[in-house]
Amino acid sequence: SQKIEQNSEALNIQEGKTATLTCNYTNYSPAYLQWYRQDPGRGPVFLLLIRENEKEKRKERLKVTFDTTLKQSLFHITASQPADSATYLCALEGAQKLVFGQGTRLTINP
Amino acid sequence: NAGVTQTPKFQVLKTGQSMTLQCAQDMNHNSMYWYRQDPGMGLRLIYYSASEGTTDKGEVPNGYNVSRLNKREFSLRLESAAPSQTSVYFCATRWRLQPQHFGDGTRLSIL
Repeated sequence: SQKIEQNSEALNIQEGKTATLTCNYTNYSPAYLQWYRQDPGRGPVFLLLIRENEKEKRKERLKVTFDTTLKQSLFHITASQPADSATYLCALEGAQKLVFGQGTRLTINP
Repeated sequence: NAGVTQTPKFQVLKTGQSMTLQCAQDMNHNSMYWYRQDPGMGLRLIYYSASEGTTDKGEVPNGYNVSRLNKREFSLRLESAAPSQTSVYFCATRWRLQPQHFGDGTRLSIL
C-alpha cells in the first residue's frame, strides 16, 4: 500500500544551525512533492513544491531536494531561527488529491 | 480577503448529535477538500469536490456526508456523532493542480 513517512515526530535544533527534515514514500510515483508549515491552532501553509525532474528547489533560507530513486525528499532550513519552530508536513500528489505525511514538529532553541 | 473561512471554530457535541461544519472560500477555486487531523496521524482526506456539483470519497469517509452547495461553499455533516470523530477538521481549496489553501480548522469534541 502507499505510504508516506516523515522521519521523526519531533526535532530540536540550536538556533543558527541547519535543520533537516526527511520525507520517505513507498509505492508512489509522484509527479511532484510539496512541503507545508503548520503553526499551533492554524491550518497548513504552503512553502515549496518540487517536481520529479527537479533535484533541488530553494526559497530564501529553505531548500528542498527530491530523489525519486531513493523515494525521499529532504527539507532544509539554514540559519534556523526560533520563529521557524512549527510542524512541517510533506505531501504527495495522487489522483488529484494530496496525501500528507504525519508531520515533524521542529523546535529551534535560542 | 478572507481566503478559506471555517465555522464554527470550536464545538462540543454529545454522542448521537448531528452537526454541519461550514467552509466558504472567496478564491474562486474549483476544488475543495475536507480533512481531519489527529495526533500522529497527519491530515487524512474525508471527502473532496473537484468542481461544483461533484463530490468523491477520500480515505476516511465513513460517518460523514458532504454537500457542495455552490462554487464557494462545501459543508461536512456528521449525522450521528461518535467519540471517534473527535478531531480537528480542516477545509482546503485548490486551483487545478496548484498548492492547497487551508482554513484554520474546526476543533470538534464529542463526549
